[in-house]
Amino acid sequence: KAGVTQTPRYLIKTRGQQVTLSCSPISGHRSVSWYQQTPGQGLQFLFEYFSETQRNKGNFPGRFSGRQFSNSRSEMNVSTLELGDSALYLCASSRGTVDTDTQYFGPGTRLTVL
Amino acid sequence: AQSVTQLDSQVPVFEEAPVELRCNYSSSVSVYLFWYVQYPNQGLQLLLKYLSGSTLVKGINGFEAEFNKSQTSFHLRKPSVHISDTAEYFCAVSRLSGGYQKVTFGTGTKLQVIP
Repeated sequence: KAGVTQTPRYLIKTRGQQVTLSCSPISGHRSVSWYQQTPGQGLQFLFEYFSETQRNKGNFPGRFSGRQFSNSRSEMNVSTLELGDSALYLCASSRGTVDTDTQYFGPGTRLTVL
Repeated sequence: AQSVTQLDSQVPVFEEAPVELRCNYSSSVSVYLFWYVQYPNQGLQLLLKYLSGSTLVKGINGFEAEFNKSQTSFHLRKPSVHISDTAEYFCAVSRLSGGYQKVTFGTGTKLQVIP
């Protein structure tokens, strides 16, 4: 069974640009969650999509948005990039329907904003 | 609401020594507990999880954790660490809320194994 894949693995952007990150969940998983990881703030929850609907959201500004497609693949978009957006962005997939679910993480996308 | 506290941000330990990484949680309802490990430049990988039953849970790579309901703790232990255990470890809790799973992660503990 293929794991969670994230593309691209590394990105370098400049302030003011926008970026789109992609996440393909494990086959059969309908939930995709996104996290931002930085040395200072640790692992912070961005949002979760389930069956193409955002059903859980963290405390991030509206510049961070996402969507999920009918095949459960998810994209995350960050507009008007700031230096502080430099981070490792992780996505995790799960069945999403039971509280005993395990989240399976992808390798992450390392975003550097210059 | 639920929260997770990992009391130690960094834990140095000599190779072949035992280690305990502490995790405490708070929740008004029953939760499920997880430990994840993150190696440098990689995503998180599940080490073990407690869902129900025996309070002593065994995971991969020789790790185990004990669920203590009265102390609301889920500490991770290994009797003898190896250099390859150097990584960051995250404790997490999950429960159903409003019909969907809500997962909360701790801030992580960096385990540094000293040769």
